This record gives sequence, structure tokens and C-alpha cells, in this order.
Amino acid sequence: KAGVTQTPRYLIKTRGQQVTLSCSPISGHRSVSWYQQTPGQGLQFLFEYFSETQRNKGNFPGRFSGRQFSNSRSEMNVSTLELGDSALYLCASSSGVGYGYTFGSGTRLTVV
Amino acid sequence: GQQVMQIPQYQHVQEGEDFTTYCNSSTTLSNIQWYKQRPGGHPVFLIQLVKSGEVKKQKRLTFQFGEAKKNSSLHITATQTTDVGTYFCALLYFRYIFGTGTRLKVLA
Repeated sequence: KAGVTQTPRYLIKTRGQQVTLSCSPISGHRSVSWYQQTPGQGLQFLFEYFSETQRNKGNFPGRFSGRQFSNSRSEMNVSTLELGDSALYLCASSSGVGYGYTFGSGTRLTVV
Repeated sequence: GQQVMQIPQYQHVQEGEDFTTYCNSSTTLSNIQWYKQRPGGHPVFLIQLVKSGEVKKQKRLTFQFGEAKKNSSLHITATQTTDVGTYFCALLYFRYIFGTGTRLKVLA
């Protein structure tokens, strides 16, 4: 079956702009989580969605938001981009708590 | 954000040597997961440990969950160049918190 699909793969944005990243989970997976990965901070949890509801949120400013649709696809949005937002954004889906994540290939965001 | 320390941070080994990474928590865990991320890739789920003292093996990889369910280890026997990457543990604190990772380099 198809894996987790993230689009776009690469993105270059200017400070102050906003960006929307998309994630399509594995068919049947209703749980989608987002992580930010940087060399200095490792994998940092952003949000978790389950059946269109945000179940958990990490310690990120309000500029970071997300949502999940009825087909389990998820989007995350970052407004007023800052240089420090440059990172690899990873989406992961799972069958539920206690099951392993399947990660997408990520979206590499560069803010200039 | 919250971080879980893994040790060591980096490890360089000669091919054929063994490798171990440790993950420690200050609280008792319900389960722990391990992931591997190849250079330029994304994390890939390896295994989940649930029971106190549990030991699971995958070929040359041995995973162990501490008796108190506060720590875990991943041991690789006779490393190969294909083992190169960063190994992460992930702990469940309402959501999965990933460890800082151990980057393994294998010298041929």
C-alpha cells in the first residue's frame, strides 16, 4: 500500500511569508502527527490529529497551525515565517497510540 | 521543547565492531519505540517494547527495555556499513517524544 505522502518536497520562502504543507497518511490511518527536525533541536513534536481533532500540541508559537480533513489528510500552516523556521517538516501516520509511526519523506523548508 | 537524552551522541566504529545506544527517562514508560534514520532520509520504525525487561531481536539488532521501564538500549552486533544512520528512541508522554538520537558511522 502507498506510504505517507508529503508535498511539496522542497520549498524556499522569504521571511514574513506563509506556507502550507500537506500530508496524506497511509490509507486507514486516522492519526497524523507532525514533527520539525533541525540539526540543533532534533525531532520536535508539533501536533497530533485524530479523526479531524487536534489531540496534542507541542510547544510552538501560534504561527504554527494545522488541521485534518475528513479523509485524514492533514495540512500544517506556518505564518509570518522566520529564518529559524528553516527545517525538515515530517508527517507521520499510525493506526493509533501504541503503534509505530510511518513517516513521510518530509518537506524541507528554507526561509531566506 | 521536551527532550530525551540518548547516549552517546555520536559513535564511530570499525565495521565488524559492536554498537550500543542508550535511552533514559526520568519517569516510568508505558512503551518505547526505536527508529532509524539514514542520512538524507526519514525515520523508519524498527520496534516497540512494552513489557518490563523485554528483549527483542531483529537479526543483528537487540532491543531491551529496562526492568523499571525507565530505560532502553539498542545493541548492534558486528556492525555493517548498512547500519549507518541515526538511531532514535521515542517515548510516549501523551504523544511520542523523540530522543536526541545517536549518530552511527561505520568505517569500512
